[in-house]
Amino acid sequence: DVKVTQSSRYLVKRTGEKVFLECVQDMDHENMFWYRQDPGLGLRLIYFSYDVKMKEKGDIPEGYSVSREKKERFSLILESASTNQTSMYLCASSSLGEAGETDTQYFGPGTRLTVL
Amino acid sequence: AQSVTQLGSHVSVSEGALVLLRCNYSSSVPPYLFWYVQYPNQGLQLLLKYTSAATLVKGINGFEAEFKKSETSFHLTKPSAHMSDAAEYFCAVRSNDYKLSFGAGTTVTVRA
Repeated sequence: DVKVTQSSRYLVKRTGEKVFLECVQDMDHENMFWYRQDPGLGLRLIYFSYDVKMKEKGDIPEGYSVSREKKERFSLILESASTNQTSMYLCASSSLGEAGETDTQYFGPGTRLTVL
Repeated sequence: AQSVTQLGSHVSVSEGALVLLRCNYSSSVPPYLFWYVQYPNQGLQLLLKYTSAATLVKGINGFEAEFKKSETSFHLTKPSAHMSDAAEYFCAVRSNDYKLSFGAGTTVTVRA
């Protein structure tokens, strides 16, 4: 089974702190994604990565950055946490898939971040 | 650009009754469509996906979905609800660059 793990289930930080959220997958997937989930808004893509050291902005990248130094690890960084970044953060990974086939994204359990 | 609309943010059904969750999509290319389920305090788990091989797709836990191109819909159904089906359900459409666009989600509660 594919396993995607996230470093913390719950995290409480103060405004202005630098926050690191870590995600690790064990299936040698090329693609990795960071989403935030808010009630009534579904999941919104923050950043994604197709390969090591590559990153692409998603729909809501402002206030976030990412790092992918190794294929299995994708980190989300909040440079200076703010209260509006209180949310559930979900990491996912997927393979490139064969041409014409769909690829499934596999999700971690999520990190519920509270910024005070 | 691809997008998804889920009709109804909350659905309540009796145990044993039909579950119907509605999803309409917008896509400029043949869509790849997914339904995910999220149980309380957990990540998302794939229920089923549309791969263009068949319009009726069967998934896990007795769920199925039918792709209707003429209606741009991909509704999720289960003939008989179980208490364990209480969760939040997300419809998603995949773009050509492997990104998923999710609907806002539908929370299902099951009454005994």
